[in-house]
Amino acid sequence: GNSVTQMEGPVTLSEEAFLTINCTYTATGYPSLFWYVQYPGEGLQLLLKATKADDKGSNKGFEATYRKETTSFHLEKGSVQVSDSAVYFCALSDTAAGNKLTFGGGTRVLVKP
Amino acid sequence: DVKVTQSSRYLVKRTGEKVFLECVQDMDHENMFWYRQDPGLGLRLIYFSYDVKMKEKGDIPEGYSVSREKKERFSLILESASTNQTSMYLCASRARGWDEQFFGPGTRLTVL
Repeated sequence: GNSVTQMEGPVTLSEEAFLTINCTYTATGYPSLFWYVQYPGEGLQLLLKATKADDKGSNKGFEATYRKETTSFHLEKGSVQVSDSAVYFCALSDTAAGNKLTFGGGTRVLVKP
Repeated sequence: DVKVTQSSRYLVKRTGEKVFLECVQDMDHENMFWYRQDPGLGLRLIYFSYDVKMKEKGDIPEGYSVSREKKERFSLILESASTNQTSMYLCASRARGWDEQFFGPGTRLTVL
C-alpha cells in the first residue's frame, strides 16, 4: 500500500535560518504530492503541490521538487520567520487508490526570534 | 473562499456515551472526509463520502459510523465512546475531480 515517511520533529530554528523537512513516499501508481501546513489552533491548509515527476511546487517562499528517482518530496525554505512555526504534513494522492490522501506523521517546526 | 466548519472545537464525553461530530461545507463539494489526528501518526482516514447518502470505509473505521443526508453536511458518530477515541478529529471536503482537500479547524475530543 501507499505510505509517506517524514522526519520527526520538533525542529527548532532561529529566524532567517534554512529549513529542510525530508519526505519520502511509497506508492503503487503515479501519485500527486502535497505539503499541508497546520498553524496552531487551526485546520490543515494546502501549502504547495506537484503532480508529476520533476515538477516544483512553491508558495510563501517554500519549495519542494517531485523526485521520482528517489521517491522524495523534500520541503525547503531559505529564510524562516517566526510565523512559519507550525506542523507540516507531507501527503500523497494516488489515482489508483481513489485519490485518497495518505499523510506522513507530521513535523513540528518552531522558529525562535 | 471555501469554508468548512465543525460543530465544536473542544468536546469532553464519558465512556459509553454516543457522540456526534458535525461538519458543514459551503462550496457544494461532492466529496467529504473524516480523519483523526494523533501525534506521530499524522492523519488517518476514518470514513469518506463521494456523494449524498454514499459512504466508504477508510483505513480505521472501527468504532465509528457516518451519515450524509445532505450534500453540505457530513456527520461522524461514535456509537459508544471509548478512551482510545480521544483524539483530534478533522473534517475535509473536496470538489470532484480536484486534488485539493479543504479542512475544518478540528474538534478535540476527550473521552473520560
